[in-house]
Amino acid sequence: DVKVTQSSRYLVKRTGEKVFLECVQDMDHENMFWYRQDPGLGLRLIYFSYDVKMKEKGDIPEGYSVSREKKERFSLILESASTNQTSMYLCASSLPTGTGGRAGYTFGSGTRLTVV
Amino acid sequence: GQNIDQPTEMTATEGAIVQINCTYQTSGFNGLFWYQQHAGEAPTFLSYNVLDGLEEKGRFSSFLSRSKGYSYLLLKELQMKDSASYLCAAPYNFNKFYFGSGTKLNVKP
Repeated sequence: DVKVTQSSRYLVKRTGEKVFLECVQDMDHENMFWYRQDPGLGLRLIYFSYDVKMKEKGDIPEGYSVSREKKERFSLILESASTNQTSMYLCASSLPTGTGGRAGYTFGSGTRLTVV
Repeated sequence: GQNIDQPTEMTATEGAIVQINCTYQTSGFNGLFWYQQHAGEAPTFLSYNVLDGLEEKGRFSSFLSRSKGYSYLLLKELQMKDSASYLCAAPYNFNKFYFGSGTKLNVKP
């Protein structure tokens, strides 16, 4: 069964801490994404990567960075956590455009991060 | 730019049929996806439409009209477990997806 795995389901961190959210996929997908989901705002794209060591900013990259050293792993880094980064974080992977329905996302189970 | 609109919330009765609408405006078109998301869980893939018409998959069907920028998800024989949010999504540029805010469906006995 294909899978996207996020390292933590729930996480509580203090303001100012550096936070790492890890995501691993076993589908050999080129594309990987980090979204955050907040009530009333839907899913918003933070960063994405379409190849190893490649990364592109999404719609809300401020306060975040990413790392993709291997194809299967895409990490989201909160350099200095703040309370407004309390959210549900979703990792996803997909095949490239042109693969039709298979280009749909497979999501990880999500990490609910609380910054206190 | 990209814009996707869908109703915020709907309520329906167990055993009934419900239609969730989605209108979209995207630069370029690479298909239209529907995802289901139960509370506290990740979205899961429901359907994909790239051509006009109705795609049926068991109790769920999805319709697309590209000329109207319109899609709907049809759920038949509603069950309590269908209570969830339903997200309409359109891919663009390197498979970035633009998601609607989701329609929360409440199924009542």
